[in-house]
Parts: sequence; C-alpha cells; structure tokens
Amino acid sequence: DQQVKQNSPSLSVQEGRISILNCDYTNSMFDYFLWYKKYPAEGPTFLISISSIKDKNEDGRFTVFLNKSAKHLSLHIVPSQPGDSAVYFCAARKTSYDKVIFGPGTSLSVIP
Amino acid sequence: KAGVTQTPRYLIKTRGQQVTLSCSPISGHRSVSWYQQTPGQGLQFLFEYFSETQRNKGNFPGRFSGRQFSNSRSEMNVSTLELGDSALYLCASRAGGTDTQYFGPGTRLTVL
Repeated sequence: DQQVKQNSPSLSVQEGRISILNCDYTNSMFDYFLWYKKYPAEGPTFLISISSIKDKNEDGRFTVFLNKSAKHLSLHIVPSQPGDSAVYFCAARKTSYDKVIFGPGTSLSVIP
Repeated sequence: KAGVTQTPRYLIKTRGQQVTLSCSPISGHRSVSWYQQTPGQGLQFLFEYFSETQRNKGNFPGRFSGRQFSNSRSEMNVSTLELGDSALYLCASRAGGTDTQYFGPGTRLTVL
C-alpha cells in the first residue's frame, strides 16, 4: 500500500525553466512533509520541508506547496539548473516519533 | 561533524547466506533508521532505533532484524538471503526532536 505516491517516474526540463515535481499521499494523518534529492552512488540529502499548518515554504530556488484538501504537494525549482538533475523523493510522517514514509521518486533531467 | 558512515559499501553474497551491515550515525544523533532502495520502489522503511530500542518497524519479514548499541551505532542483519534482497540499504540518523534525516552513502548488496 503506497501511502506516498509520485506518479511521474521521470521529468525532463530545459535549463532556466521551471521544474514541477508532484507528490500525492493517502494518509490524512500525515503532519509533516519533506523532499530529498539523491545523486547516483550517494545517499539522499534533505532539500526542503513543510508542516501541515502551512501551504507554502520557500528556500531559494526551491518552493514546496501543500494542498491538504487534495492531499497533494509539489516542489517547484526555479530556475532549473543542470546540477539539479537527480532523483527527488517526497516523504511524509505523522508524528515526530513516527516513521518517515518515502515515495518512489522522480528522476529529473535538466537539459542545458 | 562527520557524516553518517556505512560499512561495507559493497557486498556480494549467495542465496541462503546471512549478512550484517553497519551504520555509524552523526555524533549526538540517537535515532537511526534503515531503508531498502530498489528500482521503482523508492525507499522502503525497514526499522528505526532510538536509544537502543526499536521504535518503528516496516513491513519486512522476520529475516530482517536490527539492533542499536549504546554508542548509537546500529547494525542490520538479513538471514537466509534471497535474490530479491539485492538492493541498496541506506541508513539515516537524526537528532532527537527533529525531522531532518541525514543519510549515509548506502551498502550495495548483491545476492547471487
């Protein structure tokens, strides 16, 4: 039972344009959401997070939007750079003591 | 601070054998989680240890087990290996009361 879904396995974007990565979840008890980025042969690294009490969080070129009623979040990268090419994982958890559930990931390719 | 370290980085075993993987968290982090990554499945949660106690557990068979020592280092063991256990095993640590996990580079296990 996939509680966190990323329905696009891959995405290609031109350098300088916006990248939008989507994530859907099924468990309404999820309270906190995170995005991680993973390069080949490395472990995932934390990118940005958002609490369920917010609908937007911004950090430089990265913005995460949360729509609780739709159980949907998205990560926007503007402008996209070739170094952003990686696999992006969406993750969620209920309480701070609960396990973090990851989605299957979306592979982003930013074309120079 | 040194990051999360995992040993060994690569491992080749045959079906039926058992394997032990090791993870050293960031100094001061008492929570250690283990994940299995396979193509298309994302990061599947195995278990989380906090202060030597298993705090959360994923949906893996009993062949997968773990433990945590008093210095927060953790080991996971897989007995009676199957071909399907071939995967990247990732360990992540976090400080108590925080949500951001820091991942190690992973151990690539191949079962022949």
